[in-house]
Amino acid sequence: GQQLNQSPQSMFIQEGEDVSMNCTSSSIFNTWLWYKQEPGEGPVLLIALYKAGELTSNGRLTAQFGITRKDSFLNISASIPSDVGIYFCAGREGSQGNLIFGKGTKLSVKP
Amino acid sequence: NAGVMQNPRHLVRRRGQEARLRCSPMKGHSHVYWYRQLPEEGLKFMVYLQKENIIDESGMPKERFSAEFPKEGPSILRIQQVVRGDSAAYFCASPPQGARTEAFFGQGTRLTVV
Repeated sequence: GQQLNQSPQSMFIQEGEDVSMNCTSSSIFNTWLWYKQEPGEGPVLLIALYKAGELTSNGRLTAQFGITRKDSFLNISASIPSDVGIYFCAGREGSQGNLIFGKGTKLSVKP
Repeated sequence: NAGVMQNPRHLVRRRGQEARLRCSPMKGHSHVYWYRQLPEEGLKFMVYLQKENIIDESGMPKERFSAEFPKEGPSILRIQQVVRGDSAAYFCASPPQGARTEAFFGQGTRLTVV
């Protein structure tokens, strides 16, 4: 079945640093999504990407849909303590159907 | 995530008991997805339902698990004869009408089987 490899698994950074994480898939996706999950909560959608090459920003967050349609990255600039959480990528092969999730990148930010 | 209501938030069951998890999607939404999240893992798709209809249950275990979304009332995920391996967080998601993403997840039900 489809697999998503998300890396890194965890990151420990200093407040103010930039962060980059990425996902690669074994198959072509038509949709890439990035979610953030905090302890005890459900995932919250950060950015949705629907087109190869698309680059989208949401405040300090920027995500891109890779040209090959098999990868995506998420950048966070000038990190702050409230960025702490687990970031998940998710992808969908067709226009319908369920999402495939990565295993997450756990972000810790030191003030 | 406001609007997608899941209950209970926490559920403890002994092995062999039944677990019933409920999800009320956002008002006016007629579709729900159920996902399971094991500790330290991402979410795994279980089932996609429309009111009174199962659209895709390819992620549901073949035994002990069932889901429904009746015309009236919440969607129910039912796990019979629970085992320790069923301990996980179960999330439902409610896609907005016409949208292509499960944009809105509930807060989840954390099931612990003892």
